[in-house]
Amino acid sequence: DAGITQSPRHKVTETGTPVTLRCHQTENHRYMYWYRQDPGHGLRLIHYSYGVKDTDKGEVSDGYSVSRSKTEDFLLTLESATSSQTSVYFCAARDSFPPKESYEQYFGPGTRLTVT
Amino acid sequence: AQKITQTQPGMFVQEKEAVTLDCTYDTSDPSYGLFWYKQPSSGEMIFLIYQGSYDQQNATEGRYSLNFQKARKSANLVISASQLGDSAMYFCAMREGQVYNFNKFYFGSGTKLNVKP
Repeated sequence: DAGITQSPRHKVTETGTPVTLRCHQTENHRYMYWYRQDPGHGLRLIHYSYGVKDTDKGEVSDGYSVSRSKTEDFLLTLESATSSQTSVYFCAARDSFPPKESYEQYFGPGTRLTVT
Repeated sequence: AQKITQTQPGMFVQEKEAVTLDCTYDTSDPSYGLFWYKQPSSGEMIFLIYQGSYDQQNATEGRYSLNFQKARKSANLVISASQLGDSAMYFCAMREGQVYNFNKFYFGSGTKLNVKP
């Protein structure tokens, strides 16, 4: 499982409240990603990180921010949750340099977020 | 334009038969990679198979094979001898750019496969 955990695994929150999801990895992966999964859309990239304190926006970044203050943690924050952000959120990680280069991304188990 | 297109939202297959899940992709980058992931009802993403754009032969991993047709920009997944445990959602994905760089990954909308006993 490449040592990727996500917390919480399930969360119900109210519209307008801030929410932070945590992705923690133990394998020193350099690149990390946050996706959301919605029916009919597959996985869509929210934000990604090149390294510590290096982040950038993906295709569905509105309403989300991220931070990566250390290699092992990548946080996704919903600044003011809306019902349209009800989704399953996946964190993923990858390396691209020897000796740990990998073709694929390793995924965390996902967080199911419901905004009421 | 969609980077990855999966045109089969759902499919049924009889146990022990082979099934092909379709995937087409769109990129102008000469270096890319194609992936298939399986997502069972438990929700985790399981990597199945990978094909690099410069690979000469189609990738195979056990009962999974990837039918790579570069000119047609298709990367279909073939599952031979289907098993009940193959019932899941299957996602096709693409990495654009060389593997030794940072890459974005693009996912299709998925195909839900049901294997009938």
